[in-house]
Amino acid sequence: KAGVTQTPRYLIKTRGQQVTLSCSPISGHRSVSWYQQTPGQGLQFLFEYFSETQRNKGNFPGRFSGRQFSNSRSEMNVSTLELGDSALYLCASTAEGETQYFGPGTRLLVL
Amino acid sequence: GQSLEQPSEVTAVEGAIVQINCTYQTSGFYGLSWYQQHDGGAPTFLSYNALDGLEETGRFSSFLSRSDSYGYLLLQELQMKDSASYFCAVNRDDKIIFGKGTRLHILP
Repeated sequence: KAGVTQTPRYLIKTRGQQVTLSCSPISGHRSVSWYQQTPGQGLQFLFEYFSETQRNKGNFPGRFSGRQFSNSRSEMNVSTLELGDSALYLCASTAEGETQYFGPGTRLLVL
Repeated sequence: GQSLEQPSEVTAVEGAIVQINCTYQTSGFYGLSWYQQHDGGAPTFLSYNALDGLEETGRFSSFLSRSDSYGYLLLQELQMKDSASYFCAVNRDDKIIFGKGTRLHILP
């Protein structure tokens, strides 16, 4: 099976812009979670989607949003980018149980 | 609140054994997981403890004690390729909560 894929891998944006990141889970996995990883804060849970519905949400402002499509692919969007949004954004898919299978991540740099 | 505490860095010698501890202040979770992340890479799953006790997978073992709110990852016969960050994680209320990770440095 192909692993979790994320696009783009690298992205440079300026403050105030918005960005959309994409994640394709492992075939058959219906749950997709998003995480923000920064050196100081580690892995922070953003949200989780299951069958096109947001099932859980972390403590991030409303500028961070996401959605999931019927084929389980997911996108996350960040509007009005701030310098502090520079991070590695990881998505992970899950079948059953708790094991998270991570994609390679999208490294976002906000200038 | 809920949090997991891990040492930020650990240093060990190639061929030796190292233990990475994880203490937590949360309850009602299903189990404790461990992930490995190399520089520039994605976290990869290592092990999962649903029950108290020791789980062994090759050179890696993981331990959980719910009564002590404590777990650890044990790496044996350390190799240079084990140099990475290691994260413990729990699933609570369907949210995966990660520790901030332990950076493992291995000396030749």
